[in-house]
Amino acid sequence: GAGVSQSPSNKVTEKGKDVELRCDPISGHTALYWYRQSLGQGLEFLIYFQGNSAPDKSGLPSDRFSAERTGGSVSTLTIQRTQQEDSAVYLCASSPGTERNSPLHFGNGTRLTVT
Amino acid sequence: AQSVTQLGSHVSVSEGALVLLRCNYSSSVPPYLFWYVQYPNQGLQLLLKYTSAATLVKGINGFEAEFKKSETSFHLTKPSAHMSDAAEYFCAVNTAGGGNKLTFGTGTQLKVEL
Repeated sequence: GAGVSQSPSNKVTEKGKDVELRCDPISGHTALYWYRQSLGQGLEFLIYFQGNSAPDKSGLPSDRFSAERTGGSVSTLTIQRTQQEDSAVYLCASSPGTERNSPLHFGNGTRLTVT
Repeated sequence: AQSVTQLGSHVSVSEGALVLLRCNYSSSVPPYLFWYVQYPNQGLQLLLKYTSAATLVKGINGFEAEFKKSETSFHLTKPSAHMSDAAEYFCAVNTAGGGNKLTFGTGTQLKVEL
């Protein structure tokens, strides 16, 4: 079946503008994650959704970052008043469950460049 | 808190040579450990995982990893490198405390030379 789909694949924006990044998880996957991958660094956890539970927002770097997941499926990550340090690849992943051995399935990411 | 350390941000091997990518973990609870591979302009793909069953784990593309509790290590190996193995490899540990959040290492870029 289809994998995790992210759009756009590339986004260039001016400093101070707002951006929205979209993630369409694998059908039936109840868990959804956002990670950020910066050059030379590993993957940084941002936020996690599981079913109808309150999301785990512990990784969001500032209040300019927010995310929502509508209908338990598609998720949107919003960055307000973008800064140059927000430039990174934003990866979305979904998982069929929350068991510790449940693998994450990643999308190809959105490369965000803030000029 | 859980963490992983990948020694060597860049590793270069000759085609046909042994691949060894190092990962050490820190965990206050029995860890679940993963190796992922990332090809250029793609997301991460699961190579293998350790979930407290056999300590020697076999994954896709001929890779395997051995969990060594005494050394807190989970090194990734492949007996014979292929050009197609050139990619970035990430070790990750499951973060206990609810959900299935993974904490990733900083990655190792593998280069395979003729």
